[in-house]
Amino acid sequence: SQQGEEDPQALSIQEGENATMNCSYKTSINNLQWYRQNSGRGLVHLILIRSNEREKHSGRLRVTLDTSKKSSSLLITASRAADTASYFCATDKEDYKLSFGAGTTVTVRA
Amino acid sequence: DSGVTQTPKHLITATGQRVTLRCSPRSGDLSVYWYQQSLDQGLQFLIQYYNGEERAKGNILERFSAQQFPDLHSELNLSSLELGDSALYFCASSPRPGLAGRVGELFFGEGSRLTVL
Repeated sequence: SQQGEEDPQALSIQEGENATMNCSYKTSINNLQWYRQNSGRGLVHLILIRSNEREKHSGRLRVTLDTSKKSSSLLITASRAADTASYFCATDKEDYKLSFGAGTTVTVRA
Repeated sequence: DSGVTQTPKHLITATGQRVTLRCSPRSGDLSVYWYQQSLDQGLQFLIQYYNGEERAKGNILERFSAQQFPDLHSELNLSSLELGDSALYFCASSPRPGLAGRVGELFFGEGSRLTVL
């Protein structure tokens, strides 16, 4: 079973617009991570936010974490065609395991 | 380039056969993780090794086994293959487990795409 659930499943936006996706999880966590996967390629780590952090930034990425609601959001600002990919949240609810959600597929239209 | 190398990139085989997937982690990384990605199941954690020892087990079938060798490379063995085993198999590495087994950033290889006919 998957710990995280991303919402929406798919997102289509115009270049330059912002993209927001959400992740909900079921049990308490140590940290939450976001990864990007281009079609058929390996996953690439984007950002890690610890359970005692509420917000984190990395370039055009902004991640928030609300442990009371067991949810996180990933915002990509000023999207580019190269941002077209699937985005996954991952949590380490159990020692030594990182569990991934089903992902959000983002398409950025030129 | 993540520094994690997986071979082979593509593999086509028949039901009932056995295959071995190989992973070389990033230089210096002691932990290796194996994941299976399929359309219907998503990304499923299979197993994790740290410095040669099994640390965590996920949804790994009894027909599957893995090991990590002294040089830290890892192999995933899949036997008695079924059509449903067709998937992308990823290996990922990380330097070491964090405090209390917390998992930090993982570095993924490009995967081995297995097709069972």
